[in-house]
Amino acid sequence: GNSVTQMEGPVTLSEEAFLTINCTYTATGYPSLFWYVQYPGEGLQLLLKATKADDKGSNKGFEATYRKETTSFHLEKGSVQVSDSAVYFCALSERETSGSRLTFGEGTQLTVNP
Amino acid sequence: DAGVIQSPRHEVTEMGQEVTLRCKPISGHDYLFWYRQTMMRGLELLIYFNNNVPIDDSGMPEDRFSAKMPNASFSTLKIQPSEPRDSAVYFCASSRGLAGGHEQYFGPGTRLTVT
Repeated sequence: GNSVTQMEGPVTLSEEAFLTINCTYTATGYPSLFWYVQYPGEGLQLLLKATKADDKGSNKGFEATYRKETTSFHLEKGSVQVSDSAVYFCALSERETSGSRLTFGEGTQLTVNP
Repeated sequence: DAGVIQSPRHEVTEMGQEVTLRCKPISGHDYLFWYRQTMMRGLELLIYFNNNVPIDDSGMPEDRFSAKMPNASFSTLKIQPSEPRDSAVYFCASSRGLAGGHEQYFGPGTRLTVT
C-alpha cells in the first residue's frame, strides 16, 4: 500500500535559518505529492504540490522537488520566519488506486524562535 | 467561496450523549472526507464520500460512529453514545477529485470534548 514517512520532530530553528523537512514515500503507481501546513488552532492548508517527476512546487518561499529516483519530496525554505511555526504534513494521492484519497505523513512540528 | 464550513466549532458534552458534527463542502466538490486528529494518533481518515456515496468507511472506529451525506452540500458525523476517548478535533475536507488535482480543502475543525 501507499505510505509517507516524514522526519521526526519537533524541529526548532532560529529566525532566518535554513529549513529542510525530509519526506519519502512508497507508492505503486504515479502519485501526486503535497505539502500541507497546519497553523495552531486551524485546519490543514495546501502549501504546495507537484504532480509528476522533477516538478518543483513552490509557495511562500517554500520549495519541494518531486524526486522519483529517490522517492522523496523534501520541503525547504532558505530563511524561516517566526510566522512559519506550524505543523507540516507531507501527503500523496495515487489516483489510479485511491481516487481522491490522500495518504498523510505523521506531521513535523516546526518552531521558529526570534 | 466561503470554504469548507463546519459546525459547531467547539462541543463539550457528557459521556453517553449523542453528538452530531456538521459539514458543508465547497460548492462543486464531489469528494468529502471526515478526519479525526489527536495527539496520540495524529490525523486519521474516518470515512470519505464521492458524489454523496460512502466509498471507504474502514477508518470509522466502531459502530458508535456513523456518517451521512444526504446531498452534495451537507454531511454529518454522529457519535452515539459518546465516550471520553472520542475527544479530538474532527475535520471535514472536500475536493474536486481528479479534475481538481486531488487537492483537499479543510474546514476549521470541531473540537469535541467528552467529559
